[in-house]
Amino acid sequence: DSGVTQTPKHLITATGQRVTLRCSPRSGDLSVYWYQQSLDQGLQFLIQYYNGEERAKGNILERFSAQQFPDLHSELNLSSLELGDSALYFCASSVEGMGTQYFGPGTRLLVL
Amino acid sequence: EDKVVQSPLSLVVHEGDTVTLNCSYEVTNFRSLLWYKQEKKAPTFLFMLTSSGIEKKSGRLSSILDKKELFSILNITATQTGDSAVYLCAVSTNSGYALNFGKGTSLLVTP
Repeated sequence: DSGVTQTPKHLITATGQRVTLRCSPRSGDLSVYWYQQSLDQGLQFLIQYYNGEERAKGNILERFSAQQFPDLHSELNLSSLELGDSALYFCASSVEGMGTQYFGPGTRLLVL
Repeated sequence: EDKVVQSPLSLVVHEGDTVTLNCSYEVTNFRSLLWYKQEKKAPTFLFMLTSSGIEKKSGRLSSILDKKELFSILNITATQTGDSAVYLCAVSTNSGYALNFGKGTSLLVTP
């Protein structure tokens, strides 16, 4: 157990819908990262927050957004969902911006 | 464009065998290379390497980094069925915070 928690574990929804994935980092970690893992693309970095502020952006679609709250938990919002958004979404956390990242159990999203 | 390439893509061995997994990279401003093990879901951290030539060891697993030739290897000795997993290599750089992952090596250890 890495100490990073994610909810929900599974999510099934329809195209066009909007969902919110939640992540709580390890105690003491200020950085939160979101990754998407699909069969063909592997693990892809989406976005990073550090102590409430956006730090870095990767291949994140405009339909996706995230935020980190004062208690350091983070939410990833996915809207206008498409079939291709079906994937595992991982949250990771680290002590500071460049430390070792520890991964949560992931949320498996299925868009029908 | 930054690139992390792992080989082989998959591997089947018998219990007790020794395996070597490879990771080569081409990135700008290399900072560190990390190895993760992914079983059912979450990648779990194994090693982080920043210095060339220094072996990191944990039980039957060991890893070494060659910054001149831009590669790392992960060795697993006396493999067990519990070692069956996907092993992921990732690289971080000084110009960003994200981990750039390879596609992974799928290892199956048969009894």
